[in-house]
Amino acid sequence: GNSVTQMEGPVTLSEEAFLTINCTYTATGYPSLFWYVQYPGEGLQLLLKATKADDKGSNKGFEATYRKETTSFHLEKGSVQVSDSAVYFCALSDYSGAGSYQLTFGKGTKLSVIP
Amino acid sequence: DVKVTQSSRYLVKRTGEKVFLECVQDMDHENMFWYRQDPGLGLRLIYFSYDVKMKEKGDIPEGYSVSREKKERFSLILESASTNQTSMYLCASSASRSSYNEQFFGPGTRLTVL
Repeated sequence: GNSVTQMEGPVTLSEEAFLTINCTYTATGYPSLFWYVQYPGEGLQLLLKATKADDKGSNKGFEATYRKETTSFHLEKGSVQVSDSAVYFCALSDYSGAGSYQLTFGKGTKLSVIP
Repeated sequence: DVKVTQSSRYLVKRTGEKVFLECVQDMDHENMFWYRQDPGLGLRLIYFSYDVKMKEKGDIPEGYSVSREKKERFSLILESASTNQTSMYLCASSASRSSYNEQFFGPGTRLTVL
């Protein structure tokens, strides 16, 4: 079956530091890949996505590249801010066999950025 | 903007009670989902629906049921709540049946079962 593995947290960084959150996946088909972010007290919201190999998703200074050869979708940001403190989820979307597509999530990585 | 709303942000119930969690989306999405979120386990899919009156089991359907009588509304039902169902419940919706369509999430309901 499908699975997503992302680095365990929590991760604590100083403001303006470089961020990498690793994500690897296992899928039987050709999935789309997503990063979602959950700010404190809120639901998840889409941060970025990539739908095919070598695509790069980007948003709010975050980037991730769909690497089929290494089955990875690592999240990066060059200079984090305190406002980036949140939980980040890597996810893949693949055909469920029930006429729809489902998301499979990683366990989440909590990021804390300190001034 | 897509809006997904959930009936309660916080809910406290007693063991054995019947619990209804309601979710409404306002963008005419075909697909709706219920997840539970637990620390260290991420999000796990309970049930989903891709059409009115249609439902499919997710990864952890035991102890839950769902109802979708109208396209915009998807209800999660705990027939007899138990303490191990204390969790954060998230509803989501998405348009059509496509791999690259994102899911839009509600703010969540934190359920405590005493």
